[in-house]
Amino acid sequence: SQTIHQWPATLVQPVGSPLSLECTVEGTSNPNLYWYRQAAGRGLQLLFYSVGIGQISSEVPQNLSASRPQDRQFILSSKKLLLSDSGFYLCAWSVIHSPLHFGNGTRLTVT
Amino acid sequence: GESVGLHLPTLSVQEGDNSIINCAYSNSASDYFIWYKQESGKGPQFIIDIRSNMDKRQGQRVTVLLNKTVKHLSLQIAATQPGDSAVYFCAETPNTNAGKSTFGDGTTLTVKP
Repeated sequence: SQTIHQWPATLVQPVGSPLSLECTVEGTSNPNLYWYRQAAGRGLQLLFYSVGIGQISSEVPQNLSASRPQDRQFILSSKKLLLSDSGFYLCAWSVIHSPLHFGNGTRLTVT
Repeated sequence: GESVGLHLPTLSVQEGDNSIINCAYSNSASDYFIWYKQESGKGPQFIIDIRSNMDKRQGQRVTVLLNKTVKHLSLQIAATQPGDSAVYFCAETPNTNAGKSTFGDGTTLTVKP
């Protein structure tokens, strides 16, 4: 069966520090991979998606970037965090004709 | 632009009652609709989906109804249990790529014992 791992679960980082969140998927090949951000009490905003290794599409201009160095690995990064980067970050995967499968998220607090 | 909204941000029901969570969407080109359940501190979980060529789809204790005429989607939960307490999101997409879905803000369902 397919599983998705996302870590860390919580993270507190100072403003101006770098960020690296990692997500890995098991049990499926060539999935579409996604990074979402969820503000408190709100729906999900798509940040990045990838249809293959090295292929990244950005949905919103921001202080973040994404990379997909391997088929089942998706990384969310920032060189210098801003206060506004605080939020709940979710990684997800899907294949065509199927819903999204989410990880359990990373709660990022930028102080 | 696209928007997906839920009629009520919160819903409180008695254990054992049926719950109905509603969602309105604005993109008439949407052809794939999904309901997700999100428990506190966790990622959303898929509940049930429906494609635009259907009006109704049933799962275990859950039913999704789609009314394309008025662009309305609903999730019915039969015999609601305390474990059903969560935030429920509807999502719609104009193609089969669920990752490009537009999400509503969610309805918080509270089940009273």
